[in-house]
Amino acid sequence: EAQVTQNPRYLITVTGKKLTVTCSQNMNHEYMSWYRQDPGLGLRQIYYSMNVEVTDKGDVPEGYKVSRKEKRNFPLILESPSPNQTSLYFCASRGSSTGTGVYNEQFFGPGTRLTVL
Amino acid sequence: AQSVAQPEDQVNVAEGNPLTVKCTYSVSGNPYLFWYVQYPNRGLQFLLKYITGDNLVKGSYGFEAEFNKSQTSFHLKKPSALVSDSALYFCAVINYNFNKFYFGSGTKLNVKP
Repeated sequence: EAQVTQNPRYLITVTGKKLTVTCSQNMNHEYMSWYRQDPGLGLRQIYYSMNVEVTDKGDVPEGYKVSRKEKRNFPLILESPSPNQTSLYFCASRGSSTGTGVYNEQFFGPGTRLTVL
Repeated sequence: AQSVAQPEDQVNVAEGNPLTVKCTYSVSGNPYLFWYVQYPNRGLQFLLKYITGDNLVKGSYGFEAEFNKSQTSFHLKKPSALVSDSALYFCAVINYNFNKFYFGSGTKLNVKP
């Protein structure tokens, strides 16, 4: 089954304790992206990756890191989480960043609800 | 800069009635617009998109959207609402070089029996 998986689905942590949220897709998609969803703000893009070893900032990258060492994986790293990073996080992927593929829709993971105390 | 606005936080409609969820956009260049739906405790699911061509776009689950360039709008519509359509709906636009997506704040659709 074509899907985007995220782990963990729920996480409660404390300020300053480094954490990683994993994201994996099995569709051989080049493009992957991380979003956070907050009430009244919709989804905001944190980071995206056009392909392996190619990453760039979205609109709200502060406090986050990403890496893209393999095509299927795109982990989100919070080196020193703070309470304002409490949110619902979504990973997404999209096929082919060139040609007509740039218009393709994104496939979203199920979300990770993060609480930072 | 690209942006989308969803002016209604919530839309209430009776089952069987037509529904409209509004979206307006601001882009530089041609607009590439999307609608997604989010059911409780789920990720977003793609409904439909406008790239070019016919202003009326048909999508999944009987939804359609009307692109209006003069009003910079891309409203989501369905002729007859179902209770199962109750969910959170997001409008989105992609930027000119196709690497950044901008989402609206979301509209909660409540369909009452």
